[in-house]
Amino acid sequence: GQQVMQIPQYQHVQEGEDFTTYCNSSTTLSNIQWYKQRPGGHPVFLIQLVKSGEVKKQKRLTFQFGEAKKNSSLHITATQTTDVGTYFCAHNNDMRFGAGTRLTVKP
Amino acid sequence: ETGVTQSPTHLIKTRGQQVTLRCSSQSGHNTVSWYQQALGQGPQFIFQYYREEENGRGNFPPRFSGLQFPNYSSELNVNALELDDSALYLCASSSRWEYYGYTFGSGTRLTVV
Repeated sequence: GQQVMQIPQYQHVQEGEDFTTYCNSSTTLSNIQWYKQRPGGHPVFLIQLVKSGEVKKQKRLTFQFGEAKKNSSLHITATQTTDVGTYFCAHNNDMRFGAGTRLTVKP
Repeated sequence: ETGVTQSPTHLIKTRGQQVTLRCSSQSGHNTVSWYQQALGQGPQFIFQYYREEENGRGNFPPRFSGLQFPNYSSELNVNALELDDSALYLCASSSRWEYYGYTFGSGTRLTVV
């Protein structure tokens, strides 16, 4: 199946700083989904992107799907302690998850 | 609207034993997927069921098997448990044709000793 690679593996930021995680594939993706998993919790669906170049926003979160549909990013503006968790991208067709980016936020 | 419920929440088994994990799908969802998540890792796809048939399988041996019932609930069975099977097992349901992602249950934490 298609592999989705995520970077960075870990990110530690000061509260108020921005955060970005990237998801990359060697092949074209039909879609990309993003999930958040809080420590000790389960993945929670955030969004799905389908169109080339698509950009979606949810409050301080901005999701992008690359023009070639081979990469995606999640950007958080002015992080808060509530943003702590691991962010995963996933390809809906075969539901394979990236390894995730673990975000920690220092108050 | 109920979410996805999994049982049991925690389980301890001995190597070589068999285990059955259960999942009730969210109302209106007809597709169920199972994942294994080791500590600090991303969820690994085990298999998916749609209309009581296996509809895709990840890189897991045949001792991992499943069922989906007419009410869309599901079971994951693991035979001949190994120490490496210790993980969080997640069930996720969805409607096959919707685009609102998968709804995950809280998982079953399996420890094999």
